[in-house]
Amino acid sequence: DSGVTQTPKHLITATGQRVTLRCSPRSGDLSVYWYQQSLDQGLQFLIQYYNGEERAKGNILERFSAQQFPDLHSELNLSSLELGDSALYFCASSPPGTGVSPLHFGNGTRLTVT
Amino acid sequence: AQKVTQAQTEISVVEKEDVTLDCVYETRDTTYYLFWYKQPPSGELVFLIRRNSFDEQNEISGRYSWNFQKSTSSFNFTITASQVVDSAVYFCALSDLNNAGNMLTFGGGTRLMVKP
Repeated sequence: DSGVTQTPKHLITATGQRVTLRCSPRSGDLSVYWYQQSLDQGLQFLIQYYNGEERAKGNILERFSAQQFPDLHSELNLSSLELGDSALYFCASSPPGTGVSPLHFGNGTRLTVT
Repeated sequence: AQKVTQAQTEISVVEKEDVTLDCVYETRDTTYYLFWYKQPPSGELVFLIRRNSFDEQNEISGRYSWNFQKSTSSFNFTITASQVVDSAVYFCALSDLNNAGNMLTFGGGTRLMVKP
């Protein structure tokens, strides 16, 4: 168990809808990262938050947004969903401090858009 | 730009065979970190190892060993005496230190199937 909690585990929704994925980082970790894993794109970095502030942005679509709350949990909002957004969405966290820490990943949320 | 290539998309071995998973990376950074993650059929991503660019010592952990060669930009992973439980997708990843934080660039993964 990595200590990173993601809910829900599965989500099935229709095109055009909006969903929210939730992530609770490991205790003591200040950084939260979102990654998307799809068959055609592989594992891609979406966005990172550190202690409530956006730190880095990757290949995140404009239809997607995220935030990190004062209690450090994070939410990834996906709107105007398309079939191609079907993927496994991972959240990861890492501790504060200098250096490059390993990311500890949650079990993912599998999103199916029909 | 960062790039990680795992040329082997699928490898199939019989239990107790040794197997090496290849990873080749590209970066302009002089300081960087490399990682291996395992994704078993259950889907989670499990951290296996982190290596920094200044430490080229090979590492062994039980049946797992890693060979880092800066000269060839490779960070290969060997499983000795493979077991069925080793069946998983293995990802090699490279840190991007140009971004604040710890953004990882992943390779495409190698699916390892260990048959009894």
